[in-house]
Amino acid sequence: QSVLTQPPSASGTPGQRITISCSGSISNIGSNYVYWYRQLPGTAPKLLIYMNTQRPSGVPDRFSGSKSGTSASLAISGLRSDDEADYYCSVRDDSLSSNFLFGGGTKVTVL
Amino acid sequence: QVQLVQSGAEVKKPGASVKVSCKVSGKSLTVLAIHWVRQAPGKGPDWVGGLDPDDGETLYAQKFQGRVTLTADTATGTAHMELTRLRSEDSGVYYCATDIGGLGAGATSLGFESWGQGTLVTVSS
Repeated sequence: QSVLTQPPSASGTPGQRITISCSGSISNIGSNYVYWYRQLPGTAPKLLIYMNTQRPSGVPDRFSGSKSGTSASLAISGLRSDDEADYYCSVRDDSLSSNFLFGGGTKVTVL
Repeated sequence: QVQLVQSGAEVKKPGASVKVSCKVSGKSLTVLAIHWVRQAPGKGPDWVGGLDPDDGETLYAQKFQGRVTLTADTATGTAHMELTRLRSEDSGVYYCATDIGGLGAGATSLGFESWGQGTLVTVSS
């Protein structure tokens, strides 16, 4: 069981906006930056959001990140069929010698 | 653009060791941190550890401490992960990834931006 809690699944229709939550604690999300990754089957994860809210070059502004206290969220607006993937939050944990943690993942389905 | 190419699949017996390599091109290893991430079948990613090739600083996940060693050859642009005393639970895909941010405690990661294609390690008797 992961230290970072994500809902196992989320879904929406094309064009809709969905959010994925990531819940942690004061030693991880409460004290450090949050990162978000997307993973398609059989491929490596791809960085979507870094430092809570920043998008790497090439990531569309349909993806946005936020953080409040010991929780973080990833929002996907204008949902598309190719957004179907697994999404993971990640953060460092001060109580684990600054180790990086990943959430359990959220499977997004576009209905 | 940073590209990472990993070594091929490995099949090992319990108790053996495995060494996976990751060739980095497009940027010098001295300006990158290299991280390794394991993903067991059907599971989420699990961070193994990270290395700053510029000064040799390493950070290992507690669950792998004592069994994993990360190294890098800046001249050839190649990073390595060696995992010893393998057990069946170590089976999975191992990825290398680069981070242009810092590694140590207090440093700011900029995320794992470039990834290798993954190396499947199977541990079976």
